[in-house]
Amino acid sequence: DQQVKQNSPSLSVQEGRISILNCDYTNSMFDYFLWYKKYPAEGPTFLISISSIKDKNEDGRFTVFLNKSAKHLSLHIVPSQPGDSAVYFCAASAKRGYQKVTFGTGTKLQVIP
Amino acid sequence: DVKVTQSSRYLVKRTGEKVFLECVQDMDHENMFWYRQDPGLGLRLIYFSYDVKMKEKGDIPEGYSVSREKKERFSLILESASTNQTSMYLCASMFAGIDTEAFFGQGTRLTVV
Repeated sequence: DQQVKQNSPSLSVQEGRISILNCDYTNSMFDYFLWYKKYPAEGPTFLISISSIKDKNEDGRFTVFLNKSAKHLSLHIVPSQPGDSAVYFCAASAKRGYQKVTFGTGTKLQVIP
Repeated sequence: DVKVTQSSRYLVKRTGEKVFLECVQDMDHENMFWYRQDPGLGLRLIYFSYDVKMKEKGDIPEGYSVSREKKERFSLILESASTNQTSMYLCASMFAGIDTEAFFGQGTRLTVV
């Protein structure tokens, strides 16, 4: 049972445009959400996060939006750069109980120069 | 900077061998995790540990065991390696607090022949 879903396995965007990566979750206990970026043959690196008490968090070119009622979050990258080409994983965790982090299947972003 | 170090970048093992993957973190994190990454399946949690000698099964624990004798070290053991365990293995650690992120090692690419 996939509790965190990324329905788009890949996305291509022109350099300078906006990249929008989407993520849906099913477990209503999740209250902290994260985005990770992964290059081939490297471990994932943390990008940005959002707590369930917020609906938006911004860090430079990266913004994460959370819609709790729809159980949906998105990552916006503006403007997109070729160095952003990587696999992006959405992840979620719950404060209560063990803090295991559940990941989605990933979206491969290609930014075309 | 948090450092999570996995003992090997690449491993080739034979079917039936007992395989040890080691992970060490230097930030005194309580929580440690083992994931495997496979194409189209994202990161799947194998086991996690929230304290020394404590462990919990993740989503795909079959064929694996773990050991955490010291806080900084978390080992993944493949009791009898099989070809379907060929994968990228990722270790992560995380502070046991509210709204914290997991930090990953560089990954171990294991091939079972």
